[in-house]
Amino acid sequence: TQLLEQSPQFLSIQEGENLTVYCNSSSVFSSLQWYRQEPGEGPVLLVTVVTGGEVKKLKRLTFQFGDARKDSSLHITAAQPGDTGLYLCAGARGAGSYQLTFGKGTKLSVIP
Amino acid sequence: DARVTQTPRHKVTEMGQEVTMRCQPILGHNTVFWYRQTMMQGLELLAYFRNRAPLDDSGMPKDRFSAEMPDATLATLKIQPSEPRDSAVYFCASGLIENIQYFGAGTRLSVL
Repeated sequence: TQLLEQSPQFLSIQEGENLTVYCNSSSVFSSLQWYRQEPGEGPVLLVTVVTGGEVKKLKRLTFQFGDARKDSSLHITAAQPGDTGLYLCAGARGAGSYQLTFGKGTKLSVIP
Repeated sequence: DARVTQTPRHKVTEMGQEVTMRCQPILGHNTVFWYRQTMMQGLELLAYFRNRAPLDDSGMPKDRFSAEMPDATLATLKIQPSEPRDSAVYFCASGLIENIQYFGAGTRLSVL
């Protein structure tokens, strides 16, 4: 059972465009994380959101946790080729829980 | 620059052979995770150690997979005998807080 659905699966855009990717679930998570994974490398943690409705910004990236803590979005403003990669969301069920459930990811290509 | 080190980076073997993957967690980290990543299933947790003790290996096929931490600087994942369906990228991650995990670059395993 896939608990975290990410959409779209693939996204190819031109440099300078804006984009939003989504992470949805029917389950409630105590926290949700976003990772970026580049080819041949492991995932790198970008952000953790904990509170329903929380918004965090990391330069051109904006992360939002849904009010009900079941979904999240990642918005990138003025995408650059360096943003290319696989974006994974991962949810934790309990506070301090080690068990992260990962989505399958959104593969983003930013074309110069 | 502290990082999780995984060896080998690539492994090609024949069905039935034993495979051993190694992981050196970040010095001082007390949690170690083994994951498997495939296109179909995404990232799946195989095993989790805290302070070298195995706390959860429910995601691991017990008949052929085994995970150990002989000491605080080494974690191993063994597959014996290996099968073609084991082909995947295997990641080790370490951390101090369970849901903050630092991933290695992975071992890409191909079983022919």
